Amino acid sequence: DVKVTQSSRYLVKRTGEKVFLECVQDMDHENMFWYRQDPGLGLRLIYFSYDVKMKEKGDIPEGYSVSREKKERFSLILESASTNQTSMYLCASATGYSNQPQHFGDGTRLSIL
Amino acid sequence: SQKIEQNSEALNIQEGKTATLTCNYTNYSPAYLQWYRQDPGRGPVFLLLIRENEKEKRKERLKVTFDTTLKQSLFHITASQPADSATYLCALSFQKLVFGTGTRLLVSP
Repeated sequence: DVKVTQSSRYLVKRTGEKVFLECVQDMDHENMFWYRQDPGLGLRLIYFSYDVKMKEKGDIPEGYSVSREKKERFSLILESASTNQTSMYLCASATGYSNQPQHFGDGTRLSIL
Repeated sequence: SQKIEQNSEALNIQEGKTATLTCNYTNYSPAYLQWYRQDPGRGPVFLLLIRENEKEKRKERLKVTFDTTLKQSLFHITASQPADSATYLCALSFQKLVFGTGTRLLVSP
């Protein structure tokens, strides 16, 4: 089975801090994704990567950046955390971009105080 | 604009009955449609994928239909069990994977 592991289940940070969320997958998938999930808004795509060192903006990239130095690892960076970035963050991986199942980690619930 | 609609109200049914969840969309022509299950505090888990040229797909107690004319997918769970209680998300493959907000299913013993 595919396993997607997110480094933290819960995280509390302060406004203005630089925050790193890490995600590792063990199935050699080319594509990796970062979403945030908020009540009533569903999953919204922040960034995705289709190969090592390659990245594309999703629907809501403002305030975020990503890094993919190795195929199995995809990091989400909040450059200067703000309270409106308090959310559930979900990482996923897949063999395809939109036509294959995505495999999700269990999420990081991030609170910015 | 493009829109995916899932009933935001929870669906309450009794154990043993068939649960039917709806996913409607507008202004999309998706090639694929997927259904996921999400438990509280967990990430979504893939259940089924159906292609635009398939009318129906089954997997054990699950059945998905895809009507591209009505722009609707129905997700059925037969002989429902309390363990089926969760939020179910539909997702459309259209240039990217776009998720609905999900419908919560509650199955009572």
